[in-house]
Amino acid sequence: AQTVTQSQPEMSVQEAETVTLSCTYDTSESDYYLFWYKQPPSRQMILVIRQEAYKQQNATENRFSVNFQKAAKSFSLKISDSQLGDAAMYFCAYKGGGNQFYFGTGTSLTVIP
Amino acid sequence: EPEVTQTPSHQVTQMGQEVILRCVPISNHLYFYWYRQILGQKVEFLVSFYNNEISEKSEIFDDQFSVERPDGSNFTLKIRSTKLEDSAMYFCASSDPTVTNYGYTFGSGTRLTVV
Repeated sequence: AQTVTQSQPEMSVQEAETVTLSCTYDTSESDYYLFWYKQPPSRQMILVIRQEAYKQQNATENRFSVNFQKAAKSFSLKISDSQLGDAAMYFCAYKGGGNQFYFGTGTSLTVIP
Repeated sequence: EPEVTQTPSHQVTQMGQEVILRCVPISNHLYFYWYRQILGQKVEFLVSFYNNEISEKSEIFDDQFSVERPDGSNFTLKIRSTKLEDSAMYFCASSDPTVTNYGYTFGSGTRLTVV
């Protein structure tokens, strides 16, 4: 079965600085998709960024970018110029050939003013 | 931007009672999902639904759970006889049939508390 591991339960960053959240996964599939979701205190799940495994180029969405290392099965999220509104729980997620997503246990990000 | 709507936002029920959690997916989406998140834990898949039938379910989704799309717009999750351990945040999600691998749109969740 696929597993997603987030080894950092908590992270903190100074406002305007850069932070990287780690994620590793385990799969035997060759075709899959990876995602980062943000969950603010409101508990809504918001898609931050996605990456197709067949694409070598790392995905970027404004201040959010990923470092996708397929051979290492690593998918980290970099947040640049951190803002107070970035404070949230961040979940890494995997989707392969089936319907379901597999989520990691999350990283709680605190942004320090 | 289109939203997935869930009602109620918070429901308290007594152990052994039946509850129905409601969701209105995005109108042109055809894939629907329920996930749950026990407080402090990861988000877990319960079930996916397509073409008026369950397409995949997890081992969590036992006989106490059922899903239904009663009227073409609502998508419901029923728990027949709630247990204390059913207390969790329940998320509905839907996805576009042409971009199912591009990520779900989640609702804002229903917090279920079983007492």
